[in-house]
Amino acid sequence: DTEVTQTPKHLVMGMTNKKSLKCEQHMGHRAMYWYKQKAKKPPELMFVYSYEKLSINESVPSRFSPECPNSSLLNLHLHALQPEDSALYLCASRVTSATDTQYFGPGTRLTVL
Amino acid sequence: SQQGEEDPQALSIQEGENATMNCSYKTSINNLQWYRQNSGRGLVHLILIRSNEREKHSGRLRVTLDTSKKSSSLLITASRAADTASYFCATVGYGGSQGNLIFGKGTKLSVKP
Repeated sequence: DTEVTQTPKHLVMGMTNKKSLKCEQHMGHRAMYWYKQKAKKPPELMFVYSYEKLSINESVPSRFSPECPNSSLLNLHLHALQPEDSALYLCASRVTSATDTQYFGPGTRLTVL
Repeated sequence: SQQGEEDPQALSIQEGENATMNCSYKTSINNLQWYRQNSGRGLVHLILIRSNEREKHSGRLRVTLDTSKKSSSLLITASRAADTASYFCATVGYGGSQGNLIFGKGTKLSVKP
């Protein structure tokens, strides 16, 4: 299995809602990433988890809360988002130390009303 | 923050023609990667070239790296309509051991049948 899955594919939420994005991989990768991509822009790193521990937080606002319950699963909890947070949220994983190649999921298209 | 620039920002060619995209970066690197992104989807890893390599081939892809100029190019030969996508170069960011990627701005390639 060489796939990273993300659910949901699309999400529309109001500014007062609480929602979660889910990412899963069964490749045994021990590094997992969240990226945010605005339209016509490259992906920008949000968080890095290494061996289930948060290792990089790129000064992301606290309304985004990541969680890594186990080595296969990565969540991004969303609360009190702003319309400017509307974007494609991409999850990726990597085999630590062996290579810098990352495997990306298809993304969740988030719209905040 | 973005590592560098890619040019052109957009490229439109006919099927069968070659497509060349360039990427510049700012810092020292161990390797440079190229990814493809179909519209609104996840990124797919294409090729990785190490800093001690000057050229690498994979099928119809040819990548060059000039570390003295801090630049790389991606050549797609005999392009097909299915090659229509955005192409990003990526290098590893400051937390090198974490493998977090910094992407260039990307080139949007359109291959007309």
